[in-house]
Amino acid sequence: DIQMTQSPSTLSASVGDRVTITCRASQSFSSWLAWYQQKPGKAPRLLIYKTSSLERGVPSRFSGSGSGTEFTLTIGSLQPDDFATYYCQQYDSYPWTFGQGTKVEIK
Amino acid sequence: QVQLVESGGGVVQTGRSLRLSCAATGFTFSSYGMHWVRQAPGKGLEWVAVIWYDGTNKYFADSVKGRFTISRDNPKNTVYLQMNSLRAEDTAVYYCAREGGFYDSSGYYPSNPLDYWGQGTLVTVSS
Repeated sequence: DIQMTQSPSTLSASVGDRVTITCRASQSFSSWLAWYQQKPGKAPRLLIYKTSSLERGVPSRFSGSGSGTEFTLTIGSLQPDDFATYYCQQYDSYPWTFGQGTKVEIK
Repeated sequence: QVQLVESGGGVVQTGRSLRLSCAATGFTFSSYGMHWVRQAPGKGLEWVAVIWYDGTNKYFADSVKGRFTISRDNPKNTVYLQMNSLRAEDTAVYYCAREGGFYDSSGYYPSNPLDYWGQGTLVTVSS
């Protein structure tokens, strides 16, 4: 199974900050990596698929990059609506696996 | 618009069974793989199971293999999760989710993430 490890687990930032979340995989795989945003009490929302493709309707301040075993999600300029928990997920092979999540908090 | 509505959650005793349902509307259900993902209280997301669009292939997380089964009824636009031999650690909100159908100029991708999710149904396993 591919294990996904996110860092940091918690991130404190201010509106307007540039934020980067890292996701490392236990083994290399192709570009089938997604990022989701989840707010309390709500279902996750797909932000990024295939490592760097932006889902329809997602603001362009979100971007993804990476390859092999290291992937990143960047929020170019943090907005009030972006305070949430973010998860990476590999969908390269079964069982699909998620990172443990990164909570982005208001500084 | 795409809608996924889960039902069937509740409180159940350890060792008993429960069946979750997920009713889909707003898309051609028979063309999409469907997944279940769960989230224990205060914890992260855990992928549980998938069933391919035509029901021919099914895969499970190790934590539920041999206890949970997944099925679908395409004419009824519904996917099910049958959960047997429930344990306290199965307590979670269970989400059903659609596997997207993304593509580029070369055609449809062979693997896709979860683009639509239901609101979730809470399963509590208690002794």
